[in-house]
Amino acid sequence: AQTVTQSQPEMSVQEAETVTLSCTYDTSESDYYLFWYKQPPSRQMILVIRQEAYKQQNATENRFSVNFQKAAKSFSLKISDSQLGDAAMYFCAYRRTGNQFYFGTGTSLTVIP
Amino acid sequence: GAVVSQHPSWVICKSGTSVKIECRSLDFQATTMFWYRQFPKQSLMLMATSNEGSKATYEQGVEKDKFLINHASLTLSTLTVTSAHPEDSSFYICSAREVGGSEKLFFGSGTQLSVL
Repeated sequence: AQTVTQSQPEMSVQEAETVTLSCTYDTSESDYYLFWYKQPPSRQMILVIRQEAYKQQNATENRFSVNFQKAAKSFSLKISDSQLGDAAMYFCAYRRTGNQFYFGTGTSLTVIP
Repeated sequence: GAVVSQHPSWVICKSGTSVKIECRSLDFQATTMFWYRQFPKQSLMLMATSNEGSKATYEQGVEKDKFLINHASLTLSTLTVTSAHPEDSSFYICSAREVGGSEKLFFGSGTQLSVL
């Protein structure tokens, strides 16, 4: 079974600084997708960024970027110029060529003013 | 982005009663919807995959007779918690993937179920 591991239950970052959230996954598939979702206190899941495994180029979305290391099965999220609104639970997710999404255990990010 | 509406956002019910939660894709068609359960400060646990026009696929350990899922159209899936008990109290989230669209998963806003 696929597993997604987030080894950092909690992280904090000073406002305007940069923070990196870690994620590793286990799969025998070669074609899959990776995601980072954000869940603020409202508990609404919000897509932050997506990466296709067949693409070597790391995905970026404004202040959010990933470091995708396919051989190492690593998919970290970098948040630059952190803002107070970035405070949330962040979930790494894996989706194989079927339908199921698998989520990591989450990292709670605190942004310090 | 695509919108998924989930209703109700919270519900309180007595033990032994049934509760229905609706999940609608408002501006796209979804052949597949997913139902998750989330305990406080924990991850999302996939309960079942709901396919339009066919029976849902349940994850191991999820009682299909307790959590009835119906996906009658391309825009609506329902989860009915039958004979609810206090241990069923949880946050339930639905999600949907657009037909022929991106690989993104769009989420409803969730339903907090409290069983007294």
